Amino acid sequence: AQSVSQHNHHVILSEAASLELGCNYSYGGTVNLFWYVQYPGQHLQLLLKYFSGDPLVKGIKGFEAEFIKSKFSFNLRKPSVQWSDTAEYFCAVNTMRFGAGTRLTVKP
Amino acid sequence: DGGITQSPKYLFRKEGQNVTLSCEQNLNHDAMYWYRQDPGQGLRLIYYSQIVNDFQKGDIAEGYSVSREKKESFPLTVTSAQKNPTAFYLCASSTVPPRGIPYEQYFGPGTRLTVT
Repeated sequence: AQSVSQHNHHVILSEAASLELGCNYSYGGTVNLFWYVQYPGQHLQLLLKYFSGDPLVKGIKGFEAEFIKSKFSFNLRKPSVQWSDTAEYFCAVNTMRFGAGTRLTVKP
Repeated sequence: DGGITQSPKYLFRKEGQNVTLSCEQNLNHDAMYWYRQDPGQGLRLIYYSQIVNDFQKGDIAEGYSVSREKKESFPLTVTSAQKNPTAFYLCASSTVPPRGIPYEQYFGPGTRLTVT
């Protein structure tokens, strides 16, 4: 069965710090990978996605993620976080399989 | 203005009562989904439908039922058989390309159900 692991439940950073959120999945076939974000009081929305091609994908608001097939990973990164990045972040595999989420708190 | 609407935003019910959550989309998407979101557990799939009059169980379908009589509507009924129904329920939709693996989902605002 497919599963998605997000290693960090709650991450606290200061503004301008770099961010990396881990996502690992277990599935041997073709994967489509997604990162979604849920800002406080807002809908879940897509940050970025990977279907094929360049394993380094760029999304909205300066986020990027790298697909490493050998490690079954799709980690989310941002070089310098802002207070407005405070939100919950979800990794998903093949549309319907989500991780438990990582809450990010950015201190001003 | 395209999107997904869920109503109501907050819903309160007594234990033992069935309750139906509404989800409507005007994105012309073929696929629709219901998730349950609990703290620390992420989104768990309840049911999904890729075509009208057809739907499949997700990981936690017990105690829930759905119908898909129209492309734009996918109501979820939380029955009295659901042991722990208090949760935040999210509806989503997506296109379904020919090769079968759906694209990204668009989510509604959610319904918070409290059963006492």
